[in-house]
Amino acid sequence: EVQLVQSGAEVKKPGESLKISCKGSGYTFTSYWIGWVRQMPGKGLEWMGIIYPGDSDTRYSPSFQGQVTISADNSISTAYLQWSSLKASDSAMYYCAREYAAGSFDIWGQGTMVTVSS
Amino acid sequence: DIQMTQSPSSLSASVGDRVTITCRASQSISTSLNWYQQKPGKAPKLLIYAASSLQSGVPSRFSGSGSGTDFTLTISSLQPEDFATYYCQQTYSTPRSFGQGTKLEIK
Repeated sequence: EVQLVQSGAEVKKPGESLKISCKGSGYTFTSYWIGWVRQMPGKGLEWMGIIYPGDSDTRYSPSFQGQVTISADNSISTAYLQWSSLKASDSAMYYCAREYAAGSFDIWGQGTMVTVSS
Repeated sequence: DIQMTQSPSSLSASVGDRVTITCRASQSISTSLNWYQQKPGKAPKLLIYAASSLQSGVPSRFSGSGSGTDFTLTISSLQPEDFATYYCQQTYSTPRSFGQGTKLEIK
């Protein structure tokens, strides 16, 4: 079964760093782009960026460029989304997803809830 | 960046109704348009890709059409499990932006 499994919910303080993960299984991890999508409470979906694990090519939305870092470790079929200094406004659900035909996201992780509060 | 605008933002309908949701792009995106369904507390689910291709396992009552800047998602006969929020997404260029969503509610 093709699936993406994300790391668990996080509660952090402003200014702290964080790295959340997304582990792929059931397919060749290096052959598909993996993307990250933010969903703030009660709001819509926001495309953050994508990475191609095969060569680490990474694209960011201008809204998130410089705010987060997307990376991958092919040895463990895992993609990451990280922050160096969290803000309260980073509180949201974060989804990873596999990019499929025509750039669509066909497989989604279950989501990682990030709460940033003092 | 390409802006995606969905209409309506919310919609009330009854089981058995035919429903159409519209998505408009701020510039031509050919057929690089996908549709997703999201239920509360769940990850989105891909319904339609490349404007009109039905994702495997998705019921045939869902269909998509359009090209250029104007696209539609049609549900031919609403079922109880279809009440959810629907999003379009363009994949013509990065950032691969989403529409703001259309919440489909039971009348």
